[in-house]
Amino acid sequence: GQNIDQPTEMTATEGAIVQINCTYQTSGFNGLFWYQQHAGEAPTFLSYNVLDGLEEKGRFSSFLSRSKGYSYLLLKELQMKDSASYLCAVREPYNQGGKLIFGQGTELSVKP
Amino acid sequence: DGGITQSPKYLFRKEGQNVTLSCEQNLNHDAMYWYRQDPGQGLRLIYYSQIVNDFQKGDIAEGYSVSREKKESFPLTVTSAQKNPTAFYLCASSIGRLVFSGVLTFGAGSRLTVL
Repeated sequence: GQNIDQPTEMTATEGAIVQINCTYQTSGFNGLFWYQQHAGEAPTFLSYNVLDGLEEKGRFSSFLSRSKGYSYLLLKELQMKDSASYLCAVREPYNQGGKLIFGQGTELSVKP
Repeated sequence: DGGITQSPKYLFRKEGQNVTLSCEQNLNHDAMYWYRQDPGQGLRLIYYSQIVNDFQKGDIAEGYSVSREKKESFPLTVTSAQKNPTAFYLCASSIGRLVFSGVLTFGAGSRLTVL
C-alpha cells in the first residue's frame, strides 16, 4: 500500500525558519516532490529529490533519506506570501506506473 | 504566456446531470492528467493521457470519462454515476510522452458543487 504522512497545520513567524516533514511508506520509490498551493489556486512545483541529501533552491531546501522514508522541506526567511499548503508527493517506480502519490498537504500560516 | 486553462472555475450541477470540465494547454506538453482534491485528502488521480487518442484510468476513475482528441485538450466528464462529485478538480500537464514526469504544471482548477 501507499501511505504518505504530513502534519495537517503549522504556524511560524515572519523571518523565521520552518521545517515541514513528510514520511512515506510505499511499495516502491522513484523520487519525492514538493508542491506549493495557495488557497483556491493551482499547485506549483517547488523541488524534488531522487537521491539522499539536501537540494537547495534559494530560500527553499528539500532533504531526503530513502532508508528512513523521510523528507523535509525547509523554508528560510519566511515571508507572509509563504502562507500556503505544501504538498509532498512520492513517485512510483516506472514499472508500477510511475504515478505521483500525494500526501494530504500541510497548511502553513505565517504570522507577523 | 504558456499555461493551462480550466473552465468553468465554478460549476453547480443538479443530481443526475452530467457535466464536462474543460482543460486546454498551450505548453506543447504530451501528457495530461486530471486530479480530484477534497478537504483533508491528497490529490487523487482520476485519468491521465500520455499521447493523443490514448488515456489510462487512475485510482478513482469510476463515474468519470475523458477524451484526448487533440494534444492541447483533455476534457473531463463527471457523470451521474459518480456518487460524490462535489470537489475541486485540477488538470495538469507534463513534458514527456512515455515517462510519467513528477514535474507537473497545474491549471487553476474547477470547483464543482452538486446541489
